[in-house]
Amino acid sequence: GESVGLHLPTLSVQEGDNSIINCAYSNSASDYFIWYKQESGKGPQFIIDIRSNMDKRQGQRVTVLLNKTVKHLSLQIAATQPGDSAVYFCAAERGGADGLTFGKGTHLIIQP
Amino acid sequence: DAGVIQSPRHEVTEMGQEVTLRCKPISGHNSLFWYRQTMMRGLELLIYFNNNVPIDDSGMPEDRFSAKMPNASFSTLKIQPSEPRDSAVYFCASSLGQNEAFFGQGTRLTVV
Repeated sequence: GESVGLHLPTLSVQEGDNSIINCAYSNSASDYFIWYKQESGKGPQFIIDIRSNMDKRQGQRVTVLLNKTVKHLSLQIAATQPGDSAVYFCAAERGGADGLTFGKGTHLIIQP
Repeated sequence: DAGVIQSPRHEVTEMGQEVTLRCKPISGHNSLFWYRQTMMRGLELLIYFNNNVPIDDSGMPEDRFSAKMPNASFSTLKIQPSEPRDSAVYFCASSLGQNEAFFGQGTRLTVV
């Protein structure tokens, strides 16, 4: 089966700095990856996704990098803002819509 | 669209009672997922449906748990009888094919 893990349970960054959250997955057959943001009392919210035929994808202030060789995924948030404070989850899926396997989450804390 | 709608938002019940959680997926989505979130185990996939058919229920913890999807716009997750260790936040999510899954706000279940 798939297992997905994050390297750090907590990441503290200064407001305005860039944040990098890392994730590793185990199943080389995984072909779809998503980063979610979860704020307190809410459900996970989609941030950005990437498919296995790409190694980089950019959104608004966020970039996802995929290294299939070492089965590693990262989320970069540029110019971190207080509103970015949340728990971030990476998730992986193998094949068509068979359910995402989630990592444990990294709590991003923004220091003023 | 109002997004994925779950009810109730909070449920407190006594051990041994039956609990039914409800979900209305986003219109047009053909996959529906039930997840459970706890501090210890993170987000776990319990079961998912594709075109109203259960595809994989290997994540359902015990026979006390059952899920149904009688039509494309409604699903239930039932626990009978409930136990204190079932206390968690239960999320429903839906997607269209292998694309991002959209999550509801969750049901916080407390079994006393």
